[in-house]
Amino acid sequence: QLQLQESGPGLVKPSETLSLTCTVSGGSISTYYWNWIRQPPGKGLEWIGYIFYTGSTNYNPSLKSRVTISLETSKNHFSLRLKSVTAADTAVYYCARSFPPWDLPHFDYWGRGALVTVSS
Amino acid sequence: QSVLTQPLSASGTPGQRVTISCSGSRSNIGSKYVYWYQQLPGTAPKVLIYRNDKRPSGVPDRFSGSKSGTSASLTISGLRSEDEAEYYCATWDESLSDSCVFGGGTKLTVL
Repeated sequence: QLQLQESGPGLVKPSETLSLTCTVSGGSISTYYWNWIRQPPGKGLEWIGYIFYTGSTNYNPSLKSRVTISLETSKNHFSLRLKSVTAADTAVYYCARSFPPWDLPHFDYWGRGALVTVSS
Repeated sequence: QSVLTQPLSASGTPGQRVTISCSGSRSNIGSKYVYWYQQLPGTAPKVLIYRNDKRPSGVPDRFSGSKSGTSASLTISGLRSEDEAEYYCATWDESLSDSCVFGGGTKLTVL
């Protein structure tokens, strides 16, 4: 059974960089597409972007200037970096697996989510 | 404001049929597949419907999806108490955003 687990600091200061890692177990990261999605407290879902094992990425245009998604196949994990954060970036951050772009947004496996709070 | 419009809330009694709508435009629902997600309190979303009307294995056939033009619907038949959750529609938008987009979510209450 595929499992995804987010990890990283739960508190980030304003203007700093948010960094999270999603570790994939029970399957290889060298197939499918790997996504980050976030959900501010009490609000809806926002797709951040995806990465394919080749390194190809696609980001939400509203976040593109601040986001980097990368992956390490040797460690079977992928990561999110979001720079210059503000309180508006406070959210539960989910990692999720998806199918090829023609079948987006079909997210079939999700992590449990990691709450990141932006505060001084 | 979400690109996809859903009602904020819906409700029904056990055994009833409930339909949740999702309205978009030609650049998203009108030209792309629609997906539906169920989010129980405190948990990650779970895919209920993919490619407009297909159910993943394990999803009861009480859940069905449809699409017509620039709108889509999720119908839950034989409503059960465990169906009380937040429901989100999602699709790809080919316009300036060229991005995955979600509806704002519909809170379903089982009375």
